[in-house]
Amino acid sequence: AQTVTQSQPEMSVQEAETVTLSCTYDTSENNYYLFWYKQPPSRQMILVIRQEAYKQQNATENRFSVNFQKAAKSFSLKISDSQLGDTAMYFCAFFSGAGSYQLTFGKGTKLSVIP
Amino acid sequence: EAQVTQNPRYLITVTGKKLTVTCSQNMNHEYMSWYRQDPGLGLRQIYYSMNVEVTDKGDVPEGYKVSRKEKRNFPLILESPSPNQTSLYFCASSLSAGGLSPLHFGNGTRLTVT
Repeated sequence: AQTVTQSQPEMSVQEAETVTLSCTYDTSENNYYLFWYKQPPSRQMILVIRQEAYKQQNATENRFSVNFQKAAKSFSLKISDSQLGDTAMYFCAFFSGAGSYQLTFGKGTKLSVIP
Repeated sequence: EAQVTQNPRYLITVTGKKLTVTCSQNMNHEYMSWYRQDPGLGLRQIYYSMNVEVTDKGDVPEGYKVSRKEKRNFPLILESPSPNQTSLYFCASSLSAGGLSPLHFGNGTRLTVT
């Protein structure tokens, strides 16, 4: 079974600064997908960014970018120019689809943006 | 508006009283799934469905049942709820089970079993 590890239960960042959230995963698959989801206090789950394992180029969505290191099985999220609205729980998730169509989540990182 | 609708948003019940949490999507999605979220544990998958009449267990299926008789609906059934099923539950759907189709989540159901 795949596992997803987020080693930082809580983090904080000053408004307008940059912060990086860590995620590592364990899999024997070669083709898979990785995601970062955001859960603000409203508890809605929002897809932030997605990375296909077969793509070497790191995904970017506006202020959000990832550092995907396939050999190291690492998938960190960088948030640039942090805004108060970025305050949320962030979940890293893994999907392989090989045999079992399950999305496996990490335990989450609670990010607080400080004004 | 394209959405996944869960009901109710909050539910307090007693041990052993059967309950159903409904989930409906209006996007003609094939894939639907249920997750529970607990502090410090993240989201864990309970059941998922690839299509009508096709369901499979996730990581934590014990104590839960599901059915997929219609494409749009995927109810979660707790036949005999227990306090350890107190949790925040999410239903989600996507066009297909592949990673290219983003998951759309409902707004969650906060269940308390006393």
